[in-house]
Amino acid sequence: SQTIHQWPATLVQPVGSPLSLECTVEGTSNPNLYWYRQAAGRGLQLLFYSVGIGQISSEVPQNLSASRPQDRQFILSSKKLLLSDSGFYLCAWSVEGRAFFGQGTRLTVV
Amino acid sequence: DQQVKQNSPSLSVQEGRISILNCDYTNSMFDYFLWYKKYPAEGPTFLISISSIKDKNEDGRFTVFLNKSAKHLSLHIVPSQPGDSAVYFCAAYPGGGKLIFGQGTELSVKP
Repeated sequence: SQTIHQWPATLVQPVGSPLSLECTVEGTSNPNLYWYRQAAGRGLQLLFYSVGIGQISSEVPQNLSASRPQDRQFILSSKKLLLSDSGFYLCAWSVEGRAFFGQGTRLTVV
Repeated sequence: DQQVKQNSPSLSVQEGRISILNCDYTNSMFDYFLWYKKYPAEGPTFLISISSIKDKNEDGRFTVFLNKSAKHLSLHIVPSQPGDSAVYFCAAYPGGGKLIFGQGTELSVKP
């Protein structure tokens, strides 16, 4: 069966520090991969999606970036965090439209 | 530009009654729609989906209706239970890998 791992579960980082969130998927090949953010009281905002290794589509201009170094690995990064980057970050994978989510990372930038 | 819209941020329903959650979309090329349920501090979980070739799909207490001409879909939960209290997101899959979510509707089912 397929599983998705996302870590860490919670993270507190100072403004200006770097960020790296990692997501890995098991049990499937060539999935579509996603990073979403849910800010407090808001919906799910699509940040990045990837249909293959090295293929990244960015949805929202921001100081975040994403990479897919391996088929089932998706990384969300930032060189310098802003206060506005605080939120709940979710990784997901999908095949033919149906998405499965990780447990999320609560990021607080202080 | 919000392509998938859930205009009701919250909904309160009595236990045993019907819950109706609504969703509108702007792009007539969208051909696959999904509903997700989300509890706080957890990832969303898939509930039910519908393809544009259908106008109704049912799974137990959950039924999704699709009105393509109105670009509108709705999720019906009958009967509603307190455990259904959560945030519900509708999503559209236009193909090409992108999956777009609405803003969510927080459902509260009161005993």
